[in-house]
Amino acid sequence: DQQVKQNSPSLSVQEGRISILNCDYTNSMFDYFLWYKKYPAEGPTFLISISSIKDKNEDGRFTVFLNKSAKHLSLHIVPSQPGDSAVYFCAASEGGGGNKLTFGTGTQLKVEL
Amino acid sequence: NAGVTQTPKFQVLKTGQSMTLQCAQDMNHEYMSWYRQDPGMGLRLIHYSVGAGITDQGEVPNGYNVSRSTTEDFPLRLLSAAPSQTSVYFCASSYAGSYFTEAFFGQGTRLTVV
Repeated sequence: DQQVKQNSPSLSVQEGRISILNCDYTNSMFDYFLWYKKYPAEGPTFLISISSIKDKNEDGRFTVFLNKSAKHLSLHIVPSQPGDSAVYFCAASEGGGGNKLTFGTGTQLKVEL
Repeated sequence: NAGVTQTPKFQVLKTGQSMTLQCAQDMNHEYMSWYRQDPGMGLRLIHYSVGAGITDQGEVPNGYNVSRSTTEDFPLRLLSAAPSQTSVYFCASSYAGSYFTEAFFGQGTRLTVV
């Protein structure tokens, strides 16, 4: 049973436009959510996180939104840049922190010129 | 800082062979974990440790063994490799003292079992 789901395997956007990546979860015990970015042949790198007591967190071009009632979160990238082309993973944990993460299957983002 | 270092980067094993994937971190993190990434399945937790001498199973522990004798090192042992263990393996570490923290990942080990 997939507790964290990313239903879009791929997404293509034009440079300068907004990229919206979606993630759904089923486990109501998850209270901390993280987004990771992964380039080929590299390990995942942390991008941004949000706890369940907030509904929005911003860091530069990246904003994560959390809708607890819908068990849904999204990552907005504005404006999108070619260097943003990567696989993005949504992850969740119980009790915060970076231990025992449950990952989604990832979304391949391609930002085109 | 090197962060999380994994060796080797690539490995080919024959079915039935054993090997150890090495992982070391220099950030003095209490938590360390091993994940495997397979196509279309994201990263899945194999084993984790909350400190030296303490380990526990994750989602997919069968066929793997771990130990944590020091804070810095967390090796993953494949006892008798099987083709189903062909995967990319990632080691991660994280700080235990904060709710708002993240896991830092190594560059991965690509393992092929033939």
